[in-house]
Amino acid sequence: ETGVTQTPRHLVMGMTNKKSLKCEQHLGHNAMYWYKQSAKKPLELMFVYSLEERVENNSVPSRFSPECPNSSHLFLHLHTLQPEDSALYLCASSQDWRMPNEKLFFGSGTQLSVL
Amino acid sequence: RKEVEQDPGPFNVPEGATVAFNCTYSNSASQSFFWYRQDCRKEPKLLMSVYSSGNEDGRFTAQLNRASQYISLLIRDSKLSDSATYLCVVNSVFSGTYKYIFGTGTRLKVLA
Repeated sequence: ETGVTQTPRHLVMGMTNKKSLKCEQHLGHNAMYWYKQSAKKPLELMFVYSLEERVENNSVPSRFSPECPNSSHLFLHLHTLQPEDSALYLCASSQDWRMPNEKLFFGSGTQLSVL
Repeated sequence: RKEVEQDPGPFNVPEGATVAFNCTYSNSASQSFFWYRQDCRKEPKLLMSVYSSGNEDGRFTAQLNRASQYISLLIRDSKLSDSATYLCVVNSVFSGTYKYIFGTGTRLKVLA
């Protein structure tokens, strides 16, 4: 059983497509995150939401559009992506993004390929 | 200098061996430290937090050296199933907010 559920696991899309990644956490956490992991690079923070409010936007291109309708759900809407956006996209949650000792719990990730 | 630095490896060790990884961090104001394990094309999973006094969980021992700004992970009696990438994660303060900074990971291969 995983506390953070992420779909789809794999996604192949063309540069003109529009798709969405979905994340749901069942841990009662207040903070949710989107990370990008490219090959041989560390995880890069994209967005942070705390209680449905975006608190961090890490200079992410506008072709990535997050949405947080409630504290349990997080979406990442994708449109007109580039081949260099191909990566593993990871959703995560923590109890409180302002606290230093909080642990991050990750979803299974979406392996995205942009053709 | 990278904020969190790890030797990418791979570390190839025989079953039963003891192996240790180090991770250095640049921000002296870092507050908390973690080791995550990541299998190929899967999500990172928390292995253990790292405390100043050092902590142990079965075959795994983590230590923190604030003076030299590094953390370490020791794995004793390596198993084939320990083969994975081990990510060092540091929670640091930037402009008044905490952020998780990830290392690129150290790849471990345990050989039969």
